[in-house]
Amino acid sequence: KQEVTQIPAALSVPEGENLVLNCSFTDSAIYNLQWFRQDPGKGLTSLLLIQSSQREQTSGRLNASLDKSSGRSTLYIAASQPGDSATYLCAVGGLNSGGYQKVTFGTGTKLQVIP
Amino acid sequence: DAGITQSPRYKITETGRQVTLMCHQTWSHSYMFWYRQDLGHGLRLIYYSAAADITDKGEVPDGYVVSRSKTENFPLTLESATRSQTSVYFCASSGDRSSYEQYFGPGTRLTVT
Repeated sequence: KQEVTQIPAALSVPEGENLVLNCSFTDSAIYNLQWFRQDPGKGLTSLLLIQSSQREQTSGRLNASLDKSSGRSTLYIAASQPGDSATYLCAVGGLNSGGYQKVTFGTGTKLQVIP
Repeated sequence: DAGITQSPRYKITETGRQVTLMCHQTWSHSYMFWYRQDLGHGLRLIYYSAAADITDKGEVPDGYVVSRSKTENFPLTLESATRSQTSVYFCASSGDRSSYEQYFGPGTRLTVT
């Protein structure tokens, strides 16, 4: 059974700092890995999707890396801003025993960027 | 509206009542999912559908029923609501087999009194 862990559960940093969020998973037979952002009381917004054949993806100040062999992904946020404050969720995609898509979510890292 | 929508956005119901949460997507995605999000548990899969008329249980299916007669709709029914089903419910879809990227609806906050 795939298990996804995100450490730390919460993080508080001063504005302007570069930071790294971590995601680890137990089963390396994954299809993809997706990072989401969730603002309080809101839905999930997709930030980056990394296919299993890829090592990293970049979007603006965000960079996500994937190391399947070690079961790890990191989300790097450069020059953090107060608007980056949210909960960041990691989701690992694979196939279930029936060959259908299955996604396992981590419990998230709550980020606070202090002005 | 383009994308994935959920209705209602907020619902208060009483224990024992039947309630249906609606999910509609305009992309013709083959996959649709229902999740619930609770403090301390994160997102848990209730049911998923790989295509019209193909549905299967997820991690926490008890007390829920789904159907998918049309590709664009995936309603979730609580047959007899219980207080433990108070939660935020998210619908998601994915359809591109090359990426299986998931897209989420805005959520429905359900309170069972």
